[in-house]
Amino acid sequence: GQNIDQPTEMTATEGAIVQINCTYQTSGFNGLFWYQQHAGEAPTFLSYNVLDGLEEKGRFSSFLSRSKGYSYLLLKELQMKDSASYLCAVRDHNAGNMLTFGGGTRLMVKP
Amino acid sequence: DSGVTQTPKHLITATGQRVTLRCSPRSGDLSVYWYQQSLDQGLQFLIQYYNGEERAKGNILERFSAQQFPDLHSELNLSSLELGDSALYFCASSVTRSSYEQYFGPGTRLTVT
Repeated sequence: GQNIDQPTEMTATEGAIVQINCTYQTSGFNGLFWYQQHAGEAPTFLSYNVLDGLEEKGRFSSFLSRSKGYSYLLLKELQMKDSASYLCAVRDHNAGNMLTFGGGTRLMVKP
Repeated sequence: DSGVTQTPKHLITATGQRVTLRCSPRSGDLSVYWYQQSLDQGLQFLIQYYNGEERAKGNILERFSAQQFPDLHSELNLSSLELGDSALYFCASSVTRSSYEQYFGPGTRLTVT
C-alpha cells in the first residue's frame, strides 16, 4: 500500500513564498502529482514529477527526491486566490498506476 | 472548464435508495476514473475504465458499480445507500490508460438523509 503525508493546514502572507511538503512510501513509484482544489470545486492539475529535481511552471515549482520519498510544492508571490487545498498524489505501477491522494494541505493566504 | 461534464450537480436521497451518477469525458479521452471525496477520507480512487473495459479498481464497495458505454460516457451506480455515502463524487478523464494528467469534472454532491 501507500502512505502519503502532508501538513493539514498552512497560513502565509500575500506576496510571500510558501513550501508545502509531502512524504510518501510506495513500492512501485511511478510519478508524483500536485493538484489544487478550491473548496467545493474539482481538483486541477498543477505539476508532475517522475525524475528527481525541480520542475518550474510560472509561480509554482515542484521538487522530487525519490530516494527520500519526498516532494514539495513551492508557491511564489502568493495571491489571495491561491487560498485552496493542495493535494499530493502518488502513482504506483504495482497498483495499476492508479493515483493515491494525500489528505491535502489547506493553505490560507492572508493580506 | 476541464471539458468533463457530470450530472446531476446535487442529489439528495434517502438511505436504502439507489442512484446513478453520470460522466462524459473530454472529447477524445478514452479513460474515465471515479473518485469519492468525503470530509474524513479525502479523495479516494474508486474505479477506472478504459475504452469500455474496467482497468483498475480501488476502494470501491460492492454496493457500488460502474460501466463505460460505447460512446465513452460512464455511469456510477450506488445502491443500498447509507449515511456514510454522502460525499462529493468526481469523475476524471485522460487520453490513455495511464496518462499522467487527469482532468476532473465539477463533481456530484450526494447527500443521503
